Amino acid sequence: EVRLLESGGGLVQPGGSLRLSCAASGFTFGNYAMNWVRQAPGTGLEWVSGMSGSDGSTYYADSVRGRFTISRDNSKNTLYLQMNTLRAEDTALYYCAKQPSPYYYDRGYFDSWGQGTLVTVSS
Amino acid sequence: DIQMTQSPSTLSASVGDRVTITCRASQTISNWLAWYQQKPGKAPKLLIHTASILEGGVPSRFSGSRSGTDFTLTISSLQPDDFATYYCQQYNAYSWTFGQGTKVEIK
Repeated sequence: EVRLLESGGGLVQPGGSLRLSCAASGFTFGNYAMNWVRQAPGTGLEWVSGMSGSDGSTYYADSVRGRFTISRDNSKNTLYLQMNTLRAEDTALYYCAKQPSPYYYDRGYFDSWGQGTLVTVSS
Repeated sequence: DIQMTQSPSTLSASVGDRVTITCRASQTISNWLAWYQQKPGKAPKLLIHTASILEGGVPSRFSGSRSGTDFTLTISSLQPDDFATYYCQQYNAYSWTFGQGTKVEIK
């Protein structure tokens, strides 16, 4: 059974930093592209960032490019999101989501999701 | 970025009703569209990918179709477990985008 467990969320001041983690189990982590998707309170879903499992290529939404960095450690079956220069509009529940392909640009839908970790940016 | 316009935003229906939700892409995305169901306090769940392919374990009352840049999710006979919010998502271009969501409420 695929399991994705996010952690690292919390309350941070505007301009601050936070690192999210997603621990994966139940599948060969390095063989799949992984993503972060967020959901602000009471609103819809927004794709944030993705990373291929095969070649390590990374992709970002315009709203976070230059501030967020996605990475992964296949030996630890863990996906990360380093978030810097946080803004109030980054407040959201952050989900880790798996694609059914090693490549980000192939089959870019999400067949498994974690339960999310809440990030609140406020002074 | 490709914009996904989903309608309606809210839909009131009764058990047994046939329900249709539409998603329109701002440009052609071929069949690269997925549908998700999200219940309150839960993560989204994949229902359909590639416009019309049902994910394993999803009831057959759910179906998807495409006409040009218009995509449709149909629930043939609404069940109590189906009251939820539904999202479409395109994965044609490198920046994936979601529709705004459709909340299916009890009439």
